[in-house]
Amino acid sequence: GAGVSQSPSNKVTEKGKDVELRCDPISGHTALYWYRQSLGQGLEFLIYFQGNSAPDKSGLPSDRFSAERTGGSVSTLTIQRTQQEDSAVYLCASSLGDGREQYFGPGTRLTVT
Amino acid sequence: AQSVTQLDSQVPVFEEAPVELRCNYSSSVSVYLFWYVQYPNQGLQLLLKYLSGSTLVESINGFEAEFNKSQTSFHLRKPSVHISDTAEYFCAVTKGGTYKYIFGTGTRLKVLA
Repeated sequence: GAGVSQSPSNKVTEKGKDVELRCDPISGHTALYWYRQSLGQGLEFLIYFQGNSAPDKSGLPSDRFSAERTGGSVSTLTIQRTQQEDSAVYLCASSLGDGREQYFGPGTRLTVT
Repeated sequence: AQSVTQLDSQVPVFEEAPVELRCNYSSSVSVYLFWYVQYPNQGLQLLLKYLSGSTLVESINGFEAEFNKSQTSFHLRKPSVHISDTAEYFCAVTKGGTYKYIFGTGTRLKVLA
């Protein structure tokens, strides 16, 4: 694929349910990032993967949030027991890992009712 | 800690008028600076970047930004805007060679006919 893809594009879920958001980075990109963009807010860093190194999870807001990256490629962000304040657009980005520029996916809009 | 300030949350401007979107950062070390644009319901796209060298950087669609180290600024300018430039613009900074971006809260540019 030419760019970063994310699925689903939209997700509506009930409070308390678990959700999984998927990200397919650009082929060959070793670094992968997750961000959260809430209404009227900037981008909030969530987690970073680089190659086989331990991920930087410093931005995850609570232990309900987790992410994994399988085979150094596809990543899944999981939110357990969703709350209304989790409603946001979740953006994934990938890069060559040297910190120079990131390429973003279109995002997943999560709505918790 | 690093921070990025975008002083204007919204900027309305008439078509063909010039525009400046302001960005200031706080850092005492060398930085990489970026402007990203987000069109409605899309992910972020890199508009331009400063890594080193010439302090004036340009994009292919007429935007330019100047790195001013003494004022710790990286303001984005365009001499004549189009309706299609209506979008949200994010300034971001990272320490040279590191992966963690710090984003500003964004400036919503609205071009009026």
